[in-house]
Amino acid sequence: AQSVTQLDSHVSVSEGTPVLLRCNYSSSYSPSLFWYVQHPNKGLQLLLKYTSAATLVKGINGFEAEFKKSETSFHLTKPSAHMSDAAEYFCVVKTGANNLFFGTGTRLTVIP
Amino acid sequence: SQTIHQWPATLVQPVGSPLSLECTVEGTSNPNLYWYRQAAGRGLQLLFYSVGIGQISSEVPQNLSASRPQDRQFILSSKKLLLSDSGFYLCAWSPPPALYEQYFGPGTRLTVT
Repeated sequence: AQSVTQLDSHVSVSEGTPVLLRCNYSSSYSPSLFWYVQHPNKGLQLLLKYTSAATLVKGINGFEAEFKKSETSFHLTKPSAHMSDAAEYFCVVKTGANNLFFGTGTRLTVIP
Repeated sequence: SQTIHQWPATLVQPVGSPLSLECTVEGTSNPNLYWYRQAAGRGLQLLFYSVGIGQISSEVPQNLSASRPQDRQFILSSKKLLLSDSGFYLCAWSPPPALYEQYFGPGTRLTVT
């Protein structure tokens, strides 16, 4: 069965410093992986997706993620955090024809 | 471009009352449609999905039901709400046939009192 584990429930960084949100996946075959962001009381927005093409995936708002099969990881990074990046981030894996499995989320706090 | 609407944005209902949440999608045809629930401090739980009019798949047994009376309309209902039905309900759509990404509506905050 496919699943994801987000290793940190809360990450706090200072504005202008790098962001690292960690995600490990479990899959019996090459997975399709996604990162979504949710701002308070809002719907989710797709940041980026990996679908077995390039292992380094670039998304919106300067975020990127690298698929590492040897480490079963798909960590989300950004070189420099902005205040507007403060939100909840979800790592997601496709589990079937119509199903996505969402991680439990990582809350990112950006300190001015 | 495609847009997805949900209403109401917030709702406070007493236990035992009925529920109807509506979701509509514009700018696309024959989308796959989804209802999720997000409980406080938890991830998203898929409740229902639909690949066409009248075609509903339920992911978890519960007090809720879903219907798709039109191609771009998806309704979440309950005959009698429970306290445990409180949460943030999100509707989403994806372009068929592949589920490579889903696009989410703004959500409905439901509080059952």
